[in-house]
Amino acid sequence: GESVGLHLPTLSVQEGDNSIINCAYSNSASDYFIWYKQESGKGPQFIIDIRSNMDKRQGQRVTVLLNKTVKHLSLQIAATQPGDSAVYFCAENPGGSYIPTFGRGTSLIVHP
Amino acid sequence: EPEVTQTPSHQVTQMGQEVILRCVPISNHLYFYWYRQILGQKVEFLVSFYNNEISEKSEIFDDQFSVERPDGSNFTLKIRSTKLEDSAMYFCASSERTGRNSPLHFGNGTRLTVT
Repeated sequence: GESVGLHLPTLSVQEGDNSIINCAYSNSASDYFIWYKQESGKGPQFIIDIRSNMDKRQGQRVTVLLNKTVKHLSLQIAATQPGDSAVYFCAENPGGSYIPTFGRGTSLIVHP
Repeated sequence: EPEVTQTPSHQVTQMGQEVILRCVPISNHLYFYWYRQILGQKVEFLVSFYNNEISEKSEIFDDQFSVERPDGSNFTLKIRSTKLEDSAMYFCASSERTGRNSPLHFGNGTRLTVT
């Protein structure tokens, strides 16, 4: 079946570096994508979203890139800080559904 | 900033018992959801609720599960006869518009342990 998946389960970076978290999706009908951050013991926290009519969207220190040709989504975090350490999930809305489907998650570890 | 609140934070119950997990969604949100996360695994959709009725549900949401919005502010998930495999984090979420157009805002979850 079609699904959302992540390339790397764990990403370790040094404080101050830029981080890139990747996500592959296989449902070409998906038209809305969301990145969530989940800290230990907490629920997923919305970071940024993007619709399929865009290929880039920027927030505060974060940028989401969408490549519909290869069905790839990435989250870039600039000047990564220890507080960015968490599990990051991408979620997609498959066409015809109003329910976000979550990918497996990538654990980001930021070393001071 | 408004947030989704869930109670209790941790619930321990014996197999076969009924549990009710409670949630207070963000006040101006119209769409409500329950997800669960088994330790170390994906966040899985259970059910969505809009206009006082279930709008979508997953295969996980079988006859043992039910949802209710009893009083216009609370949103509850009931598991009638818990099984060991129901042990998980249960997250409530709400959104202002449909999940296709607006992000879901999640509570911090209830950890359900079935013994």
